[in-house]
Amino acid sequence: QKEVEQNSGPLSVPEGAIASLNCTYSDRGSQSFFWYRQYSGKSPELIMFIYSNGDKEDGRFTAQLNKASQYVSLLIRDSQPSDSATYLCAVNSGSNYQLIWGAGTKLIIKP
Amino acid sequence: DAGITQSPRHKVTETGTPVTLRCHQTENHRYMYWYRQDPGHGLRLIHYSYGVKDTDKGEVSDGYSVSRSKTEDFLLTLESATSSQTSVYFCATRGEGSRNQPQHFGDGTRLSIL
Repeated sequence: QKEVEQNSGPLSVPEGAIASLNCTYSDRGSQSFFWYRQYSGKSPELIMFIYSNGDKEDGRFTAQLNKASQYVSLLIRDSQPSDSATYLCAVNSGSNYQLIWGAGTKLIIKP
Repeated sequence: DAGITQSPRHKVTETGTPVTLRCHQTENHRYMYWYRQDPGHGLRLIHYSYGVKDTDKGEVSDGYSVSRSKTEDFLLTLESATSSQTSVYFCATRGEGSRNQPQHFGDGTRLSIL
């Protein structure tokens, strides 16, 4: 059974600090990794994806991938109250076009 | 963002009745997906489609059927709704290309089975 694990939280971070969200996956064949943000009562929206080992930066967001250790993380710099949401990690499941989803981490940014 | 419209947005119905949810997309995406989302379970795949008339089961397909007669429409049917099917249902689409293509989501349908 291919799995994606995330700490459910809630993760509470002061405004202006760095929020660090982690995700581990079981399928070594996975090649693409996605972070989505989901506000309460809304649908998931893509933040960024990563497929190479190392860091990928997009504004205040940085995705980090370590395939040897099978984990992917998302860093949010200068956290804002508007970043409060549930963050979903998704991993492609090998040869087809399905994604395996983590259950999400709820992030709370305290003003 | 991909133009994905789900209808209805909210529905309340009774146990044993048939229910059909519609997903309509304007992006000509080949791949379409139906998920359900419940507290503590994240997104779970019900069925997906990789082209017109080409569909396959996901991890929680029991009690659900789908049809795709046109590229733009993907229908999810609950033949005889049960209370355990009360959930939020999301449709997603994905274009062709590399594995880095993301899935894009509709706004969801909140379904309550009484």
